[in-house]
Amino acid sequence: DTAVSQTPKYLVTQMGNDKSIKCEQNLGHDTMYWYKQDSKKFLKIMFSYNNKELIINETVPNRFSPKSPDKAHLNLHINSLELGDSAVYFCASSRLQGNEQFFGPGTRLTVL
Amino acid sequence: KNEVEQSPQNLTAQEGEFITINCSYSVGISALHWLQQHPGGGIVSLFMLSSGKKKHGRLIATINIQEKHSSLHITASHPRDSAVYICATHTGNQFYFGTGTSLTVIP
Repeated sequence: DTAVSQTPKYLVTQMGNDKSIKCEQNLGHDTMYWYKQDSKKFLKIMFSYNNKELIINETVPNRFSPKSPDKAHLNLHINSLELGDSAVYFCASSRLQGNEQFFGPGTRLTVL
Repeated sequence: KNEVEQSPQNLTAQEGEFITINCSYSVGISALHWLQQHPGGGIVSLFMLSSGKKKHGRLIATINIQEKHSSLHITASHPRDSAVYICATHTGNQFYFGTGTSLTVIP
């Protein structure tokens, strides 16, 4: 009965590849988020979606694109992966924008 | 300068000690969040507050809107409290995160 789940947990890939990370929440929340946590453990918000509308699009490269097929899913697509994309990516959800957030377990992406 | 500053960056305490982690922010906010990141990497939301004080078990969070300051207190600390504690603010569509406070509680 995981509230927020992400797949895969680990992702190792070569530079230049395209990859996706999936996120699903079963809490009935209206807002979902993607965060990047770098090697220095600094957490930075990348995107949030509210009812399938992009609300926040921080200054991330356009190689990153969120895709929300429905309210329960927010997938992260990354094109032309670069070494600097190596990080842990967390998905989260909240009932409304800015409310208490529930985090997924994270996906550790390593780009070789 | 980061919009959210936390202190201390690192903290080591003996089991049973009272712990305080501070968070100062420079922008107006709708709410302030305290998050806990376990050594295994999982992140849990501890508090969301916009005024006053909240308490969950041994954890207490306070906020002073006028001074743009929040504190997280842990009473009777325990080794299982060892984690990184992250302060984050939210206003409109903007989220700002502190760099975290790494707490180690020694038995």
